[in-house]
Amino acid sequence: DGGITQSPKYLFRKEGQNVTLSCEQNLNHDAMYWYRQDPGQGLRLIYYSQIVNDFQKGDIAEGYSVSREKKESFPLTVTSAQKNPTAFYLCASTLGRQGWDGYTFGSGTRLTVV
Amino acid sequence: EDQVTQSPEALRLQEGESSSLNCSYTVSGLRGLFWYRQDPGKGPEFLFTLYSAGEEKEKERLKATLTKKESFLHITAPKPEDSATYLCAVQGSSNTGKLIFGQGTTLQVKP
Repeated sequence: DGGITQSPKYLFRKEGQNVTLSCEQNLNHDAMYWYRQDPGQGLRLIYYSQIVNDFQKGDIAEGYSVSREKKESFPLTVTSAQKNPTAFYLCASTLGRQGWDGYTFGSGTRLTVV
Repeated sequence: EDQVTQSPEALRLQEGESSSLNCSYTVSGLRGLFWYRQDPGKGPEFLFTLYSAGEEKEKERLKATLTKKESFLHITAPKPEDSATYLCAVQGSSNTGKLIFGQGTTLQVKP
């Protein structure tokens, strides 16, 4: 079955440590997105990529980095510069680059700072 | 600024008690309004896309409607398995690929 796979499901980060969240899709979708979800808040866009080797900052990109070396992969690195990284992270993709066909989401990664 | 507000934040219903969830939005040039269902600890699951005022879509006990300022998700005779958080999101003509999400409505249906 086609879909989006996020790993790991749970991730613990120590202070000052960089961690990378994996997102892989086998839907042949062009565009991929990373959102952050906090309790009581709407999903907020971190980064998105419409084509390979190109990506744009979203609303809350500070402290995060991404790469898009392959169409099916869009990993997110949470750096030590992100002061409050504890959250639920969601990866999504859309068939078209404009994203007008709606998102398919992965199952999420819960990141906790210890 | 594009904005989405959902109400109520939480809703408790008895099984079989119909109700509606509201999604009010402000967006420049609506391209689409989306409804998702999210279970605890999981990613959102797509329900509906609405594109223009007056449009309606149905799926089992759910019916989504759209006006120029808001959308409603009507739940008819809900069952406990309908318990989840329902998310509304909009995409405007100026926001390539970006969805603006509301904070969600958490629905609990008691047997």
